[in-house]
Amino acid sequence: GESVGLHLPTLSVQEGDNSIINCAYSNSASDYFIWYKQESGKGPQFIIDIRSNMDKRQGQRVTVLLNKTVKHLSLQIAATQPGDSAVYFCAETTGGKLIFGQGTELSVKP
Amino acid sequence: ETGVTQSPTHLIKTRGQQVTLRCSSQSGHNTVSWYQQALGQGPQFIFQYYREEENGRGNFPPRFSGLQFPNYSSELNVNALELDDSALYLCASSLDRGRYEQYFGPGTRLTVT
Repeated sequence: GESVGLHLPTLSVQEGDNSIINCAYSNSASDYFIWYKQESGKGPQFIIDIRSNMDKRQGQRVTVLLNKTVKHLSLQIAATQPGDSAVYFCAETTGGKLIFGQGTELSVKP
Repeated sequence: ETGVTQSPTHLIKTRGQQVTLRCSSQSGHNTVSWYQQALGQGPQFIFQYYREEENGRGNFPPRFSGLQFPNYSSELNVNALELDDSALYLCASSLDRGRYEQYFGPGTRLTVT
């Protein structure tokens, strides 16, 4: 069946370092892949997306890479800050329905 | 702020009871999706409403039902509550059906005892 999963449940980094969060997906037919950030007590917040026909997309301090050959998605956060501490979810979508993975908790140490 | 609001914030119910959760979509959005998020898990799609009609449903039993009103606000109803229904229920609105850009509310934390 369809699934989106994450390799690591937790990630701890030093402030200022770069963070890389990984995700594996199984549905080759998904149109878009999206990264969400969820802080405690809040709903998921959109970070960045990438269309299935792209390999890389950059935003402010974030980059998403898509490797369709191995069905792998990653989120890179440059110069990680304490405010980046949250749970990060990848999600895939076809026709407006989002399928989320389990999530990776990012902890930034000052 | 996303503009999506949900009520109540927290709710405690007893097994077997019924519950209604409410969501107001962001201005201009005609599509509302509901998700269930168990502790430590990613959100799971329950169903989506577009212009007052159900537009897709996830793997949830019929005791999970919904409504969307002419102003595009929405309700999620759960009958015969079970302990496993304890979760954060998230509402997300989007500009139109098929649009993947969904804006989430803060959620309603439901505890079933």
